[in-house]
Amino acid sequence: SYELTQPPSVSVSPGRTASITCSGEKLGNKYASWYQQKPGQSPVLVVFQDTKRPSGIPERFSGSNSGNTATLTISGTQPMDEADYFCQAWDSGTVVFGGGTRLTVL
Amino acid sequence: DVQLVQSGAEVKKAGESLEISCKTSGYTFNNYWIAWVRQMPGKGLQWMGIIYPGDSDTRYSPSFQGQVTISADKSSSTAYMLWSSLKASDTGMYFCARQVGDGFNVWGQGTMVTVSS
Repeated sequence: SYELTQPPSVSVSPGRTASITCSGEKLGNKYASWYQQKPGQSPVLVVFQDTKRPSGIPERFSGSNSGNTATLTISGTQPMDEADYFCQAWDSGTVVFGGGTRLTVL
Repeated sequence: DVQLVQSGAEVKKAGESLEISCKTSGYTFNNYWIAWVRQMPGKGLQWMGIIYPGDSDTRYSPSFQGQVTISADKSSSTAYMLWSSLKASDTGMYFCARQVGDGFNVWGQGTMVTVSS
């Protein structure tokens, strides 16, 4: 079955750029979406179709997808961005989520 | 605005049946796929399955096929997930989410299911 692999944790200093990767075989041939989840809350879509931001999502969130890796980039990271982030893609008619990455802002 | 409101937390015993719901509003229910996603305590997201209310076309993750039944009631704009016989390993938070494009842009608040053995 298809798998998406994320690093378990990423740390970033406030104001710096955070990059979270998501790896899967030929992921660049699929669309990747990214979700932010804060403790006790439902996931929130922050990037869809590799690079697009839903309305209301700050411009500091951006995405890319090529080859085997999709990347979520948060520019000028703020303390409020500390959360778990999950990538997601479709494969053979089923949805696959990555294992999640805990972003720590310190 | 689009809303998905889920039924409340449940505490059940192993072997019991359970149906949880996801009531939608603010959009045409028939026209969007609704997915169910499990999150076990302290863990990641697991896609369970998805339904298109317009024609009840339903797809399941191989991991959950035969374990749950997903349905939708067009008259009440509500999606459901049914367990006929719960297991302790079914304990977790369950989310419904509306699909748009390849992603899920609106999520319910989650239903916590606790199953004791």
